[in-house]
Amino acid sequence: GAGVSQTPSNKVTEKGKYVELRCDPISGHTALYWYRQSLGQGPEFLIYFQGTGAADDSGLPNDRFFAVRPEGSVSTLKIQRTERGDSAVYLCASSLMGAYGYTFGSGTRLTVV
Amino acid sequence: LAKTTQPISMDSYEGQEVNITCSHNNIATNDYITWYQQFPSQGPRFIIQGYKTKVTNEVASLFIPADRKSSTLSLPRVSLSDTAVYYCLVGDNTGGFKTIFGAGTRLFVKA
Repeated sequence: GAGVSQTPSNKVTEKGKYVELRCDPISGHTALYWYRQSLGQGPEFLIYFQGTGAADDSGLPNDRFFAVRPEGSVSTLKIQRTERGDSAVYLCASSLMGAYGYTFGSGTRLTVV
Repeated sequence: LAKTTQPISMDSYEGQEVNITCSHNNIATNDYITWYQQFPSQGPRFIIQGYKTKVTNEVASLFIPADRKSSTLSLPRVSLSDTAVYYCLVGDNTGGFKTIFGAGTRLFVKA
């Protein structure tokens, strides 16, 4: 696609529920990144994929968070037993290996009530 | 990963040149300096990247002194639409890297 697509754009869920957030990167981009951004803060790194594998998942806050990228393109960020503190904008970005900068999507705004 | 320090906010007027300086005292030899712009309800957008001296594109210029411990993003003749948050990042760009965003600089451009 022309840009990084994230769906849904907004998600409201109840505390304790499971959610999946989807990221469609730019075609051909091998690197994919997930970030979380709270109001007034910069994006916080969560996980980085190179191809199908998670090259660095050190930013995932705990084991309720998990992400997959089974075919090396689309990625899904999964959050189990959501908590109110998980409310944030979840951003996805992709890039070519060694390319200048990332291309970000517009994010999914997750609200846990 | 090198940490960056930027002013929290800056004000300017339309038509002025704006310079935002970022400190990165612990920058490593392989690190590049990258600047992003973010508007409300959007993801960050890449502006410019450099390693040393000066880089210029259609949007901005990036000045990096010889010791590379700081860098300055220069926006010529800003307009109201340049009101945004600007992030300075430092990291290895040779094979994809974990990028740490700070809180950024909130630029307010007034008429």
